Amino acid sequence: NAGVTQTPKFRILKIGQSMTLQCTQDMNHNYMYWYRQDPGMGLKLIYYSVGAGITDKGEVPNGYNVSRSTTEDFPLRLELAAPSQTSVYFCASSPPGFTEAFFGQGTRLTVV
Amino acid sequence: KNEVEQSPQNLTAQEGEFITINCSYSVGISALHWLQQHPGGGIVSLFMLSSGKKKHGRLIATINIQEKHSSLHITASHPRDSAVYICAVRLSGSARQLTFGSGTQLTVLP
Repeated sequence: NAGVTQTPKFRILKIGQSMTLQCTQDMNHNYMYWYRQDPGMGLKLIYYSVGAGITDKGEVPNGYNVSRSTTEDFPLRLELAAPSQTSVYFCASSPPGFTEAFFGQGTRLTVV
Repeated sequence: KNEVEQSPQNLTAQEGEFITINCSYSVGISALHWLQQHPGGGIVSLFMLSSGKKKHGRLIATINIQEKHSSLHITASHPRDSAVYICAVRLSGSARQLTFGSGTQLTVLP
């Protein structure tokens, strides 16, 4: 059982480049989330999805886009990368009842 | 002021010591989670609490809803317990999202 799988683990982008962070879960969870973690700060919610075809903004959505075409996949798109997007990104999912949160291993992104 | 405050921010202990990490929150919640983040960066869910107390191995988590406070205890600490421990709350009426504390860095020395 793979759980939540994120790729890539590390990436360096130049300012203005774009990229997609991939997230896949095999637990049939409806709820999926993207967070960013900055040094000394709590995780901040970027976007979330309550099911295929439904997404909504979180606390810090600017500069990002998401899509949810299937229950399993929830990719995060960065357009026109900026140094402020240097962070560690986590994808997560939750089962009905939110009894537990499952996290991916994280993607460490540096924008230079 | 953050909605979720953890203390201490950093904690160093000797192997075998009893450890307590505290989490206070200022909003109404439906549940509180304790998470563990290892040096490699991965995050693992330890507990979800809505009331009372839960125990798993050497870990004990308690919550006092009236006082808006939760504690995570580690008995007989071990160097492998070294990690960042994160408290996160699910706000009442916003069951879909978690609000996170900034974490407590625990180092257990042999």
